[in-house]
Amino acid sequence: QLQLQESGPGLVKPSETLSLTCTVSAGSISSSSYYWGWIRQPPGKGLEWIGSIYYSGSTYYNPALKSRVTISVDTSKNQFSLRLSSVTVADTAVYYCARQVAMPTSEPFDIWGQGTMVTVSS
Amino acid sequence: QSVLTQPPSTSGTPGQRVTISCSGSSSNIGSNYVYWYQQLPGTAPKLLIYRNNQRPSGVPDRFSGSKSGTSASLAISGLRSEDEADYYCAACDDSLSNVVFGGGTNLTVL
Repeated sequence: QLQLQESGPGLVKPSETLSLTCTVSAGSISSSSYYWGWIRQPPGKGLEWIGSIYYSGSTYYNPALKSRVTISVDTSKNQFSLRLSSVTVADTAVYYCARQVAMPTSEPFDIWGQGTMVTVSS
Repeated sequence: QSVLTQPPSTSGTPGQRVTISCSGSSSNIGSNYVYWYQQLPGTAPKLLIYRNNQRPSGVPDRFSGSKSGTSASLAISGLRSEDEADYYCAACDDSLSNVVFGGGTNLTVL
């Protein structure tokens, strides 16, 4: 059964760049049927879509975060990554990676990673 | 302010049936599939309903979804204490070109 696992630093300083990687196992990230996305959840709050990427490298970003977000994919490693620049305390959240249905129509996420807590603090 | 609107909380007693609403617009719920997630405390969201009313393998048939126009609903029958969780609706939005979520509904089993 396909699984996703987030990895990366749990603490980032204000104004620096948050970097996370999601490793996909028991399945190929190069499937034409799926996007691969990032979602975050601040403590005690709801879910916010950050962005998604197709195996070809096409990306789709939340307009509210677009200026600070970069999502990339490495098909050779079956991984995709998130970079969020110029972070502030407001970026403190649990970050999830997830699989998003792309074909035959775009749909939300069906498989999620367990999530990783990232705290922005000096 | 979430694009999809859900009640912040609801409650029910064991055995009861409860429904959670999710209101959107023609660019999201009105033209795309609705998904529902269950999030137990301290865990990742789990897919509960996909494509408006389909249950993934392993999800009890006590959970059901429906959609009409620009609104959707999640119904939970035979309420159990283990159903106490946060529930989120989600859909793709054509005008925003992204995935939008409801603000979440906290279900308390009294």
